[in-house]
Amino acid sequence: KNEVEQSPQNLTAQEGEFITINCSYSVGISALHWLQQHPGGGIVSLFMLSSGKKKHGRLIATINIQEKHSSLHITASHPRDSAVYICAAPMIKAAGNKLTFGGGTRVLVKP
Amino acid sequence: GAGVSQSPSNKVTEKGKDVELRCDPISGHTALYWYRQSLGQGLEFLIYFQGNSAPDKSGLPSDRFSAERTGGSVSTLTIQRTQQEDSAVYLCASSFQQGDGETQYFGPGTRLLVL
Repeated sequence: KNEVEQSPQNLTAQEGEFITINCSYSVGISALHWLQQHPGGGIVSLFMLSSGKKKHGRLIATINIQEKHSSLHITASHPRDSAVYICAAPMIKAAGNKLTFGGGTRVLVKP
Repeated sequence: GAGVSQSPSNKVTEKGKDVELRCDPISGHTALYWYRQSLGQGLEFLIYFQGNSAPDKSGLPSDRFSAERTGGSVSTLTIQRTQQEDSAVYLCASSFQQGDGETQYFGPGTRLLVL
């Protein structure tokens, strides 16, 4: 079992729909990252959060440390949101902040 | 530059040859990470540098892989006697300091294909 798991693996939505991606982890973490990877392969860091909720534009990330769960929400989705979304966490037991990654969620937003 | 840069962006090599991949982190970032993303698989950690400390090499898949970081800045990942299973996108990331949950900034990656 992976230490960081995401669901769903794939998600297709119509433009304008609300999208939720879930991430759960099985060990203690210091913070959780949400990353976006576009078809070209480049990775952009969207959020890093250790508690509560963060919002940036149409993106909202929440985390519940007690339940070891985080969600990434996309409101009013747009085709340009089509990408792979990856959650990742530096494990407390690990020295440094090397990340352990979820398997990614491939999101396709159709116009 | 404003972000993390990597070179080359693409590399095709023959099995058995050595390759060097370069990463230029964001200026002032003390932590540098190498990750790998194999085709159809997720990202995995390879090696981590923090300041002048000994690197954390726990993610390197074999002794054919090595990395160095000169002057606390530029890093080179070397793969000796490449194998087809080394084909992957190699990503470098840097962050400002070691601390709980600092943001890591990723480079564009080097896409390596071993024939």
